[in-house]
Amino acid sequence: ETGVTQTPRHLVMGMTNKKSLKCEQHLGHNAMYWYKQSAKKPLELMFVYNFKEQTENNSVPSRFSPECPNSSHLFLHLHTLQPEDSALYLCASSQVSTSGSYEQYFGPGTRLTVT
Amino acid sequence: AQSVTQPDIHITVSEGASLELRCNYSYGATPYLFWYVQSPGQGLQLLLKYFSGDTLVQGIKGFEAEFKRSQSSFNLRKPSVHWSDAAEYFCAVGPVTGGGNKLTFGTGTQLKVEL
Repeated sequence: ETGVTQTPRHLVMGMTNKKSLKCEQHLGHNAMYWYKQSAKKPLELMFVYNFKEQTENNSVPSRFSPECPNSSHLFLHLHTLQPEDSALYLCASSQVSTSGSYEQYFGPGTRLTVT
Repeated sequence: AQSVTQPDIHITVSEGASLELRCNYSYGATPYLFWYVQSPGQGLQLLLKYFSGDTLVQGIKGFEAEFKRSQSSFNLRKPSVHWSDAAEYFCAVGPVTGGGNKLTFGTGTQLKVEL
């Protein structure tokens, strides 16, 4: 595997279900991100992890719970979602240093439908 | 706060014609600048980036972009568009130093290519 991979690619879940999205980066990066992309809306940054530590949470509802067990893996745990949470969820990774941030590399996304 | 404006929501060009997609940014200093492309149902792919140096940068798939500090712009160009270039294009800006690793994305420009 190369780059950033995401599983599953498609997910349909009911509002009472619990599911998890998985992201893995094979680039040796030290930062990982979750984004939400909804139709007709700008890309929304949800969470940022630097060196496995969460450094940003953009007022995301608690029904979304991220987990970063190591610098290569990132999960997004989902529970009691709402229909408006249906979207494409994108994972990205990058290399960061004291001299600045660098380009982010994106996975193919998970298309989530909440019924 | 940093921001990115892509004034054109949709652009239609004929195959073989030249293309220019506009991007204007607002930032306190020279930022890192990026262009990404997204095909339907896919993640974002990095086309090119500007960090410093030569203001005309070359990217993949025959794309180039020019950084103009005086105009706060980073427009994307391609001399001859191919039908496979039809996609959505995103401009993004990131901090050079000390500003964390958050990218700010524009709202995107949807490119349609007429055969």
